[in-house]
Amino acid sequence: GESVGLHLPTLSVQEGDNSIINCAYSNSASDYFIWYKQESGKGPQFIIDIRSNMDKRQGQRVTVLLNKTVKHLSLQIAATQPGDSAVYFCAEKGGGSNYKLTFGKGTLLTVNP
Amino acid sequence: DSGVTQTPKHLITATGQRVTLRCSPRSGDLSVYWYQQSLDQGLQFLIQYYNGEERAKGNILERFSAQQFPDLHSELNLSSLELGDSALYFCASSPPRGGRGDTQYFGPGTRLTVL
Repeated sequence: GESVGLHLPTLSVQEGDNSIINCAYSNSASDYFIWYKQESGKGPQFIIDIRSNMDKRQGQRVTVLLNKTVKHLSLQIAATQPGDSAVYFCAEKGGGSNYKLTFGKGTLLTVNP
Repeated sequence: DSGVTQTPKHLITATGQRVTLRCSPRSGDLSVYWYQQSLDQGLQFLIQYYNGEERAKGNILERFSAQQFPDLHSELNLSSLELGDSALYFCASSPPRGGRGDTQYFGPGTRLTVL
């Protein structure tokens, strides 16, 4: 079946370093992708999104890259801070009128001071 | 704060019981989605409503049902509860179609514990 998966289940970085979280997807019809951050005991929080007609989108300290050729998505966090420690999920939306989001299993990012 | 509210925050009940989870979407949002998050299954889509009508179904058990009311709040009903139903249940909402219509904003969740 179609799925969204993460390459690395855990990532540990030093404060101030840049972090890169990766995600693979298998549905070539997916037209919209979102990165969410989930802190312990809280709901997923929207970070940044990208549509399939783009290959890069930047936000505040975050950048999402989309490589449709290899069906790969990445989230880059610049100057990682302790407050960035959380589980990060990528999610894909199937194309057309399919509004369901399919989530990857998540990557735990730990930022060491 | 996403603007999506969910009640109750925590719910502890026994097997065989029935519970109702409530969700209020962000102001202006017409779509409501329900997700279940468990340790072994991750975030799983259950069901979507759009302006009061069921729009899409995911991995929702027959013991579970949902509805969206005219004021757009939604309720998820879980019956004949089993131990395996213990999980976090999230509601999300999204704006009307067009523009940001694909972005889903999540509530804080309801933690259900079945004993």
